[in-house]
Amino acid sequence: EAQVTQNPRYLITVTGKKLTVTCSQNMNHEYMSWYRQDPGLGLRQIYYSMNVEVTDKGDVPEGYKVSRKEKRNFPLILESPSPNQTSLYFCASSLTANTEAFFGQGTRLTVV
Amino acid sequence: DQQVKQNSPSLSVQEGRISILNCDYTNSMFDYFLWYKKYPAEGPTFLISISSIKDKNEDGRFTVFLNKSAKHLSLHIVPSQPGDSAVYFCAAQNMDSNYQLIWGAGTKLIIKP
Repeated sequence: EAQVTQNPRYLITVTGKKLTVTCSQNMNHEYMSWYRQDPGLGLRQIYYSMNVEVTDKGDVPEGYKVSRKEKRNFPLILESPSPNQTSLYFCASSLTANTEAFFGQGTRLTVV
Repeated sequence: DQQVKQNSPSLSVQEGRISILNCDYTNSMFDYFLWYKKYPAEGPTFLISISSIKDKNEDGRFTVFLNKSAKHLSLHIVPSQPGDSAVYFCAAQNMDSNYQLIWGAGTKLIIKP
């Protein structure tokens, strides 16, 4: 089954404790991206990757890192999480940047 | 400064009637527009799209209309069904920004039986 898998689905952590949210797709898509969804703001892009070893900042990259060492995986790293990073996070992949995006089920992160 | 705006946070429609969801944008460089649907505890799923060179695109019960001069698009669902109850996001992109998707805040559609 074609899918985008994020883990974990839910995470509560403390300020400053490094964490990684994993994202994996099985559709051989080139383009992958991370979004955060906050009330009243829709989805905002954090980082995106056009292909392996190619990543770039989206609209709200501060406090986040990503890597794309292999095509299927695109982890999101928070080196020192802060409470303003409490949000719902979505990973997405698509064949190319301008084709239909497939989303993971989301990761609800709470930083206390 | 939101480039894509969905001014109605929620909309309630009787089953069988037409649902009309609206979206306005400010960036005239957008050349592709998409609608996504989102159920609770799931990621958004693609619904329908339209290129800026068209003014209408239809797919079954779903039709998207684009009015470029007004910078406005709308999604029509006819007839509305209970399974259509979800949050609908409008999104736009353009080639000059590496096709980065810019999203509206979403409209929660409730279909009443």
